[in-house]
Amino acid sequence: ETGVTQTPRHLVMGMTNKKSLKCEQHLGHNAMYWYKQSAKKPLELMFVYNFKEQTENNSVPSRFSPECPNSSHLFLHLHTLQPEDSALYLCASSQIGWQGAYEQYFGPGTRLTVT
Amino acid sequence: KQEVTQIPAALSVPEGENLVLNCSFTDSAIYNLQWFRQDPGKGLTSLLLIQSSQREQTSGRLNASLDKSSGRSTLYIAASQPGDSATYLCAVRPGQAGTALIFGKGTTLSVSS
Repeated sequence: ETGVTQTPRHLVMGMTNKKSLKCEQHLGHNAMYWYKQSAKKPLELMFVYNFKEQTENNSVPSRFSPECPNSSHLFLHLHTLQPEDSALYLCASSQIGWQGAYEQYFGPGTRLTVT
Repeated sequence: KQEVTQIPAALSVPEGENLVLNCSFTDSAIYNLQWFRQDPGKGLTSLLLIQSSQREQTSGRLNASLDKSSGRSTLYIAASQPGDSATYLCAVRPGQAGTALIFGKGTTLSVSS
C-alpha cells in the first residue's frame, strides 16, 4: 500500500449504530488530519494530530471521537449520528517541522450515509 | 477569519481551450497555497503547492500564480482535455504556525471532446 488509505470506502449506518473509520498513511509523516466534505460546502477541518497528540479540534460534536494510536494510524469513532452527518470524510497526512506543516496528502475518503 | 472564494463555481469548455480558474483569500498572511483536483466521489490529488515567497509554480500543462498582497491565485490549464474534467480546489495554509488548510468550494470543470 502506498500513500494514504482509508477504510471502509462506503458506510451506511443507522442513527443508533456505532462504527469506526480507519486511516493509514505510508508516507512517514508525523501529522494526520480528519476533514469533512458536505455537499455544497467547502472541506471543513475536524481534527489534527501531531505526533499522536491532538492539536486541533474544530468544535466538532462529541458524537465524533478521534483516536490516533501512532503516527501512521488515525481512527474516527462514530456514535449516535444524525442524518446531516452524511458526508465524505477525508483523511490527510503531512510532515510537520520547524517551519510548520508541509504539503498535505489525502486519502480517497469514506462516503458515509446516516439513515 | 480567513475565507477562500473560487470563481467560477462551474465551467464548461470545448477540448483544446486554455482556461483560468480563480481563487481569492481574505487574509494575505498565508504560508502557502495549494491547488488540488478532486474526481467525483474521490479524494484529493495535490496539483501544485506555492510557498508565500513564490510567484508561480508549473507542472506540465498547469501553471499556478500567487499574488499574496492582493489575496489572489490563478490556475492556468493549457490545451484542456476531457481528462481534465474534475473539481479543482484551492486551499491556503494560514500562517507558518498553522497546520490545517482552509478550502474554497471549488470550480467544477467539464471539458467536452
